[in-house]
Amino acid sequence: DIVMTQSPDSLAVSLGERATINCKSTQTILHTSNNKNYLAWYQQKPGQPPKLLIYWASTRESGVPERFSGSGSGTDFTLTISSLQTEDVAIYYCQQYSTPPYTFGQGTKLEIK
Amino acid sequence: QVQLQESGPGLVRPSETLSLTCTVSGGSISSYYWSWVRQPAGKGLEWIGHIYSSGNTGYNPTDYNPSLKSRVTMSVDTSKNQLSLKLSSVTAADTAVYYCARVPSCGKYCLRGAFEIWGQGTMISVSS
Repeated sequence: DIVMTQSPDSLAVSLGERATINCKSTQTILHTSNNKNYLAWYQQKPGQPPKLLIYWASTRESGVPERFSGSGSGTDFTLTISSLQTEDVAIYYCQQYSTPPYTFGQGTKLEIK
Repeated sequence: QVQLQESGPGLVRPSETLSLTCTVSGGSISSYYWSWVRQPAGKGLEWIGHIYSSGNTGYNPTDYNPSLKSRVTMSVDTSKNQLSLKLSSVTAADTAVYYCARVPSCGKYCLRGAFEIWGQGTMISVSS
């Protein structure tokens, strides 16, 4: 199985500041056939299902604010929130959908400092 | 818009079979992958498996998480626009919120994105 490891486990950032979450996979999730990284980012708030933010490592889902961006390739990926808002308090998960079983990172809890 | 709604018994006895349904409204289930994901209280997300709904061909390939493969069965009912998940021989470790999610596809064995739409989830407790 591909193991996804996120860092840090928790993060406290001041309002308006940048938040950065990292995700590393134990093997590449870049498909050379289509040059796509099969990496997604989700946001989950208490009592709610996960919400897709980013797919193909850097494509923002429709309706997701522009302050959310994804980057990286191969085995190392980053989710960046450029200017933290109160509604961004949540747990964030990365996920590889390259090879079944699809696996998630352990989650990063983002709070306001 | 497309909505997913999971339903289940709430409480299941140990060693019994858990049966869940995911009803899709506002769109067809055909030509998509449908995943099941579970989340124990306060913990992370675990992918259970997925099924491709090919429509009227009747061929709906599946992939299951090896950790659950011997106990999992997934199926689709295109006439009802429903998916089902069966998990046999349950134990307390299967207590979790169970979600279904839609994954866009470009055909069998081809994903066109990630888990774009999720149901609200259904809580399942395993206890005698």
